[in-house]
Amino acid sequence: DTEVTQTPKHLVMGMTNKKSLKCEQHMGHRAMYWYKQKAKKPPELMFVYSYEKLSINESVPSRFSPECPNSSLLNLHLHALQPEDSALYLCASSPIRGVTEAFFGQGTRLTVV
Amino acid sequence: GQNIDQPTEMTATEGAIVQINCTYQTSGFNGLFWYQQHAGEAPTFLSYNVLDGLEEKGRFSSFLSRSKGYSYLLLKELQMKDSASYLCAVSASNFGNEKLTFGTGTRLTIIP
Repeated sequence: DTEVTQTPKHLVMGMTNKKSLKCEQHMGHRAMYWYKQKAKKPPELMFVYSYEKLSINESVPSRFSPECPNSSLLNLHLHALQPEDSALYLCASSPIRGVTEAFFGQGTRLTVV
Repeated sequence: GQNIDQPTEMTATEGAIVQINCTYQTSGFNGLFWYQQHAGEAPTFLSYNVLDGLEEKGRFSSFLSRSKGYSYLLLKELQMKDSASYLCAVSASNFGNEKLTFGTGTRLTIIP
């Protein structure tokens, strides 16, 4: 199994809603990442988890709250988002931080209305 | 911080060869990756360079010069399905934290 699985694939939410994005991998990777990608832009790093601990937070607003319940799962909890937060949210994993290939999930296309 | 530059768009002909350049400035350099991304899809790994020189992988090759902060991705025998964005990404570590930062991406269009 060399896949990173993200759910849901598409999500439409209102600005007062609370929702969660989920990411799962069973490759034994110990680093997991959240990226945000706007149309025609490169992915921008949001969070890095290493051995289930948050190691990098790229000054992301608190309305985005990551969680890593175990080594296979990574969640992104969303609350009180703004329309400008609409984007493709990509999860990735790698065997160790940084210097190895990162495997990406297919992403969640989020629309905030 | 990091500064990673790539051309925004390129066009090439089916069957030909194209070279996509990437220049970067960073501290704590660990390695450079190339990813391919089709519209609406996730990035997929193409190649990785940590030492100077050329890495060849089928129709794709990638070159790195650490002293010049320069890399290129070479695509041979171009096919229509190679139309995609190509992302140069630099892995760097600061204060023990390593992260992968993407360049702006090069949108490659293959014409018949």
